[in-house]
Amino acid sequence: EVQLVESGGGLVKPGASLKLSCVASGFTFSDYWMSWVRQTPGKTMEWIGDIKYDGSYTNYAPSLKNRFTISRDNAKSTLYLQMSNVRSEDTATYYCTRGGIPDYWGQGVMVTVSS
Amino acid sequence: DVVMTQTPVSLSVAIGQPASISCKSSQSLVGTSGKTYLNWLLQRPGQSPKRLIYLVSKLDSGIPDRFSGSGSETDFTLKISRVEADDLGVYYCLQGTHFPHTFGAGTKLELK
Repeated sequence: EVQLVESGGGLVKPGASLKLSCVASGFTFSDYWMSWVRQTPGKTMEWIGDIKYDGSYTNYAPSLKNRFTISRDNAKSTLYLQMSNVRSEDTATYYCTRGGIPDYWGQGVMVTVSS
Repeated sequence: DVVMTQTPVSLSVAIGQPASISCKSSQSLVGTSGKTYLNWLLQRPGQSPKRLIYLVSKLDSGIPDRFSGSGSETDFTLKISRVEADDLGVYYCLQGTHFPHTFGAGTKLELK
């Protein structure tokens, strides 16, 4: 069974940095592109970006490219999202998903940006 | 970015009745490979999204054949032949042909 478990969310102040993690199981992690998607409190879905199976290539939504970085550790079957200089509009539930075009989704982790 | 326009915003359907959701894209979703990367997702209340359909019309494993997807180029439709109680939630279309991938705003299916 495919499982994706995110962690690292919480309440952060504007301008701070935060790193989310996603541990994958139930499939060969190193065979798949992986991606991050977020959902705002108003339920709008936004694709953040993806990373190639070997970590050698990434794509990002242009609006987030300068502040968000996706990486992975295939030895640990773990996907990461490094968020920097966060803003109130980054408040959302962040989902780890399998595939560049998501097929399986994690349960999500909430990030709230507020002073 | 490709804009995905979903209609209706909400839908109230009785059990056993059909339902239909439209998704229109601002540009063709046919990729350079000739494939059309249009997915449909369902997010049930309190849950994460679940993919139902990929490549316009291919059902994911375990998805009942009451669900069907159709369309081409810029015009796509999700149909449920006979709605069941388990079908309630928000349906999203997602295009994966162009970067960045983009979602529709969602259609909330409620039971009448």
